[in-house]
Amino acid sequence: NAGVTQTPKFQVLKTGQSMTLQCAQDMNHNSMYWYRQDPGMGLRLIYYSASEGTTDKGEVPNGYNVSRLNKREFSLRLESAAPSQTSVYFCASSESIAGGVNEQFFGPGTRLTVL
Amino acid sequence: KNQVEQSPQSLIILEGKNCTLQCNYTVSPFSNLRWYKQDTGRGPVSLTIMTFSENTKSNGRYTATLDADTKQSSLHITASQLSDSASYICVVSGWQAGTALIFGKGTTLSVSS
Repeated sequence: NAGVTQTPKFQVLKTGQSMTLQCAQDMNHNSMYWYRQDPGMGLRLIYYSASEGTTDKGEVPNGYNVSRLNKREFSLRLESAAPSQTSVYFCASSESIAGGVNEQFFGPGTRLTVL
Repeated sequence: KNQVEQSPQSLIILEGKNCTLQCNYTVSPFSNLRWYKQDTGRGPVSLTIMTFSENTKSNGRYTATLDADTKQSSLHITASQLSDSASYICVVSGWQAGTALIFGKGTTLSVSS
């Protein structure tokens, strides 16, 4: 099992460019999440998908869109990248959201720089 | 405001020594508390998850404690190894819709030989 995989690992964009970060999990999890991690700050939730076909905003959704393509895949799109979106992006998955004690499994991250 | 505060911010210890990391939280209502280990350049990996009814949980050389009354948790690392060098993140979950994980900023531990 690969767990949670993310592509690409690194990306450099110019301001205004768009890109999509890809995430896939092979654990048959229902719920998936996108976080960003900035220096000196804890991880912050951007969007999540409780189950296939549903998506909801997290703490910092502005400037991002998501697509839950199927049960395995959850993508994050930056339509017009800004320097403030320079960050490390993590995708995570869990069996479900209900109950609260579901362990989240994280991918290796995508390091994005916006110039 | 729901917050998770960790101390110290960073710590350097000699290989073989023990250390304790602290976590204070103000998240309410409280569901569970997690400790994650994050190696440089990698995603966080879960070490322990404790509900409000649990006051200690171990995972090998890692032992987490929880005092839900004082809203404090600690992570004790015994007989440290070089591979323990990482960031340790305390994460608290409330009872809202399962998504409200509040992440601390982490403690960076460096183990030297």
